[in-house]
Amino acid sequence: GENVEQHPSTLSVQEGDSAVIKCTYSDSASNYFPWYKQELGKGPQLIIDIRSNVGEKKDQRIAVTLNKTAKHFSLHITETQPEDSAVYFCAASIRRDMRFGAGTRLTVKP
Amino acid sequence: DAGITQSPRHKVTETGTPVTLRCHQTENHRYMYWYRQDPGHGLRLIHYSYGVKDTDKGEVSDGYSVSRSKTEDFLLTLESATSSQTSVYFCAINADRSDNYGYTFGSGTRLTVV
Repeated sequence: GENVEQHPSTLSVQEGDSAVIKCTYSDSASNYFPWYKQELGKGPQLIIDIRSNVGEKKDQRIAVTLNKTAKHFSLHITETQPEDSAVYFCAASIRRDMRFGAGTRLTVKP
Repeated sequence: DAGITQSPRHKVTETGTPVTLRCHQTENHRYMYWYRQDPGHGLRLIHYSYGVKDTDKGEVSDGYSVSRSKTEDFLLTLESATSSQTSVYFCAINADRSDNYGYTFGSGTRLTVV
C-alpha cells in the first residue's frame, strides 16, 4: 500500500519567515494530495490540495508543489503568523484511499 | 466542525470492557471513515463505509468493528478494549463527488483504556 513520509517532524520559524514542509509517497498511482492543519484539541482541517495533473497551486500565503517524477510534494507558507502554529499533515490518495504522513508541528515565534 | 459530530468527546474505560464511539453527520455524505491518531503515526484508517450497511477494513482494523444502519451514523466498537487502543479517534466524511476527495473531520474522541 501507499506509504507517506513527512519531514521535518518539528519546525520553528520567526514570524514573517517562510516555512516549508516536505512529503514523499511511494505509489505512483496516487493522484490526490491534500494538506491538513490541526489546531490543539480540534480535528484536522483541509487547507489546500493538489491533483496529479497540476504542478503547483496557490491560495494566498499557502502554496503546494508536486513533483510526480520524484514522487514528492511540499507545502510552502509565506509571511508566517503566530496563528499558523499548528500540526500539519500531508496525505496521498488514490481516489478515496488516503494515507497520511506523521505530521509536522510548526511553531511561529512572535 | 460543521455537519459532523462525535460522541463522547472524552472517555475513560477499563481493559476488557466494550466501548462504542459515535459519529453523526448532517451532510448526507456517502463516505464515512474512522481514524486513530497516535504520536509519530499520524492518522491511520481503522474502517470506512461507502454506504448504508457497506463497510470495509482499513490498515489497523484488528480489535475494532463498525456499523452503519443509517446514512447519518457510523459507529465504531471496541469489543474488548486494550491499553493499546488508548488514542484519539477521528471520524471523517466525504461526499460522492469526483471533483472533491477532501475529508471533513470531526473534533475527535479521546479514549483512555486503563
